[in-house]
Amino acid sequence: GEDVEQSLFLSVREGDSSVINCTYTDSSSTYLYWYKQEPGAGLQLLTYIFSNMDMKQDQRLTVLLNKKDKHLSLRIADTQTGDSAIYFCAERGNAGNMLTFGGGTRLMVKP
Amino acid sequence: NAGVTQTPKFQVLKTGQSMTLQCAQDMNHNSMYWYRQDPGMGLRLIYYSASEGTTDKGEVPNGYNVSRLNKREFSLRLESAAPSQTSVYFCASGGGISNIQYFGAGTRLSVL
Repeated sequence: GEDVEQSLFLSVREGDSSVINCTYTDSSSTYLYWYKQEPGAGLQLLTYIFSNMDMKQDQRLTVLLNKKDKHLSLRIADTQTGDSAIYFCAERGNAGNMLTFGGGTRLMVKP
Repeated sequence: NAGVTQTPKFQVLKTGQSMTLQCAQDMNHNSMYWYRQDPGMGLRLIYYSASEGTTDKGEVPNGYNVSRLNKREFSLRLESAAPSQTSVYFCASGGGISNIQYFGAGTRLSVL
């Protein structure tokens, strides 16, 4: 089956930028998503990008997609302590509505 | 503005007991999903329902059954719980061309 990979952990200082990376194997991906999970909660959609785009910006969030390398990144500008959470990358192929999730990256923001 | 509602939030079972996890959505979505989340393994799809009246197996269906009761409700049943089913279970619903999935708050299940 298809695979989505993320690094396990990222630590940054408050006010710095955070960059969370994701690689995937499905060459037929149509949409790619970033979700945020705070402790004890469900997943909350942060943003998503269609596969024919290479960048999407939404306030402090910037998503970059390199379709050739199958690489997706999420940049959080001016990272705050409230951004501490687990971030999941997910992709949707062109057959059906199922998503494949990465294992999640735990972001720790130090004051 | 409930979105996806899951019950119960917490449950402790003994090995061999059965239980049903309930999920309801109020967003008029066609598709609904059950995932389990284990440490370091992300989310794995157990079962999904593309529309009312249909269900299909996901990546890890063994030991589970589902029922799509109507468009709003999608339940997950453990007939004979095993310790390997200790996990956090999430229900999600999705729709539209981008199929954004919206998640419930989860059910934390321990099987002793």
